Amino acid sequence: GAVVSQHPSRVICKSGTSVKIECRSLDFQATTMFWYRQFPKKSLMLMATSNEGSKATYEQGVEKDKFLINHASLTLSTLTVTSAHPEDSSFYICSARDSGQAGNTIYFGEGSWLTVV
Amino acid sequence: QQQVKQSPQSLIVQKGGISIINCAYENTAFDYFPWYQQFPGKGPALLIAIRPDVSEKKEGRFTISFNKSAKQFSLHIMDSQPGDSATYFCAASRGDYKLSFGAGTTVTVRA
Repeated sequence: GAVVSQHPSRVICKSGTSVKIECRSLDFQATTMFWYRQFPKKSLMLMATSNEGSKATYEQGVEKDKFLINHASLTLSTLTVTSAHPEDSSFYICSARDSGQAGNTIYFGEGSWLTVV
Repeated sequence: QQQVKQSPQSLIVQKGGISIINCAYENTAFDYFPWYQQFPGKGPALLIAIRPDVSEKKEGRFTISFNKSAKQFSLHIMDSQPGDSATYFCAASRGDYKLSFGAGTTVTVRA
């Protein structure tokens, strides 16, 4: 089946630094990818929609200058958390839409744990 | 504002039993209704999905029932196994494919 890969799976960074998380679709092209955030024992909250070749669209309340998204190719989207602070510590998950599948199936990556110390 | 309401929050079922999770939505523009399974520390994995033109879809031990008029859909896990113990999320999206998730249901299957 389709696979979406995230890297790194876990990252620890110092407060004030920036960290980049990659999301790749391994066996299909994804014109649209999505970034979610999940707190422990909570549901997934959509942060932004990443569109290949154009600017990302952010959900209400998400700071676009803090969470930079780049979708430079049909198989790669990156999320950069800039000037990270402890409150940014969370589980970040990406998903990708396989438009080649009947019904436009959405697959998720394995997630990336970010800890800001 | 949660667009998809999921219940129960948690359930315990004996091995071999049936787990039933229910979801309700308000937005009639939703046209894609997937269910995801998530284990601790992992990303959600797509289990099964349905579109409004179908009232039921079955894949192995997992069945989605969809009631368009009531704006409700449910997941049935037949012959529940300990390996099914996980958190299950229902979701819904429109043509933009931005998923709105339910709050999640933690299923515990006792051997």
